[in-house]
Amino acid sequence: KQEVTQIPAALSVPEGENLVLNCSFTDSAIYNLQWFRQDPGKGLTSLLLIQSSQREQTSGRLNASLDKSSGRSTLYIAASQPGDSATYLCAVRGETSGSRLTFGEGTQLTVNP
Amino acid sequence: DTEVTQTPKHLVMGMTNKKSLKCEQHMGHRAMYWYKQKAKKPPELMFVYSYEKLSINESVPSRFSPECPNSSLLNLHLHALQPEDSALYLCASGTGTGVTDTQYFGPGTRLTVL
Repeated sequence: KQEVTQIPAALSVPEGENLVLNCSFTDSAIYNLQWFRQDPGKGLTSLLLIQSSQREQTSGRLNASLDKSSGRSTLYIAASQPGDSATYLCAVRGETSGSRLTFGEGTQLTVNP
Repeated sequence: DTEVTQTPKHLVMGMTNKKSLKCEQHMGHRAMYWYKQKAKKPPELMFVYSYEKLSINESVPSRFSPECPNSSLLNLHLHALQPEDSALYLCASGTGTGVTDTQYFGPGTRLTVL
């Protein structure tokens, strides 16, 4: 059974810092990995999707990498801003799980002005 | 347009009430999902519809009844709920297949069962 772990569970940084969020998964047979952002009480916003054959994806100040063989992904946020404060979730879609996503528990990020 | 809409935003119901949640997408996606999310936890999959047919039911109690009237609409009918069913209910849509499948989520319905 696929398990997804996110470290750290919570992170507080001053504005302007570059930061890295980590996601690990136990079964490397995946189709893709998706990073989401969730603001309190809101839905999930898709940030980046990395296909299993890709190593990284970039969108603005965000860069996500994938090392499928070691079961790891990182989300790099450059020059963090208070507006980046949210919970970040990673989710993997396994090759044998149909269209199911397996989510990590999330990292709650606070960027202080 | 990558928008999934959900109505209502908030719902308060008693344990004897019958209510429905509605979800709509116009991205031509053939897979639609219902998730339940409790506070500070990731979403839990409830149901998946593929091409308007129920393809996954994650052993959800029968007091939750999904319906997919057409490829753009997804409903969740609620009846005789329990207070522990209070949660954020999220709808999502996606192509459902392939390595490029991205799930797009709606804003959710905050449900409170009294």
